Amino acid sequence: AQSVTQLGSHVSVSEGALVLLRCNYSSSVPPYLFWYVQYPNQGLQLLLKYTSAATLVKGINGFEAEFKKSETSFHLTKPSAHMSDAAEYFCAVSDTWSGAGSYQLTFGKGTKLSVIP
Amino acid sequence: NAGVMQNPRHLVRRRGQEARLRCSPMKGHSHVYWYRQLPEEGLKFMVYLQKENIIDESGMPKERFSAEFPKEGPSILRIQQVVRGDSAAYFCASSPPGSITDTQYFGPGTRLTVL
Repeated sequence: AQSVTQLGSHVSVSEGALVLLRCNYSSSVPPYLFWYVQYPNQGLQLLLKYTSAATLVKGINGFEAEFKKSETSFHLTKPSAHMSDAAEYFCAVSDTWSGAGSYQLTFGKGTKLSVIP
Repeated sequence: NAGVMQNPRHLVRRRGQEARLRCSPMKGHSHVYWYRQLPEEGLKFMVYLQKENIIDESGMPKERFSAEFPKEGPSILRIQQVVRGDSAAYFCASSPPGSITDTQYFGPGTRLTVL
């Protein structure tokens, strides 16, 4: 069974500082990995996804993530935080075709990012 | 191109009533997923549907919950005889038919409150 662990339910950074949100996964098969962002009372917006091409994935709003198979990690980074980055971030995994034939996503519990002016 | 639409955005029900949540996928998308988000939790998969077919309902509670995606019209998630524990945000996502790498696009969610 696949699972996702996000270390740190809350992360605070100063404006302009590096953002690092951690995600570790477990999967019995090569995974496909996603980062979504959720602003208050809104749905989830895709930031980036890893689908077995380049291990360093660039997404929207200056975010990127690196797939490290040996560490089973897919950490999200941004060099310089902006106030508008304050939101909740979810890491998700979808491994290959399940027995029931669905590509369901398994989500971590989320990390709330606060940006301090 | 309109995104995934969900209505209502907020729904209040008393214990024992029925809740109906609607989801209209993006144009051209024939796959719909429903997820539930409890407070302080990530999203949990409930059910995956294609037009007129339930493909995977492994995440659905065994009783009181049902889902459909008719040939015409939106997908419906139905909760009968709601209880306080059903209070949550319910998200629908859609994707085009095809491969695992296709992105699931999420709607804004329906926030259900059971009094």
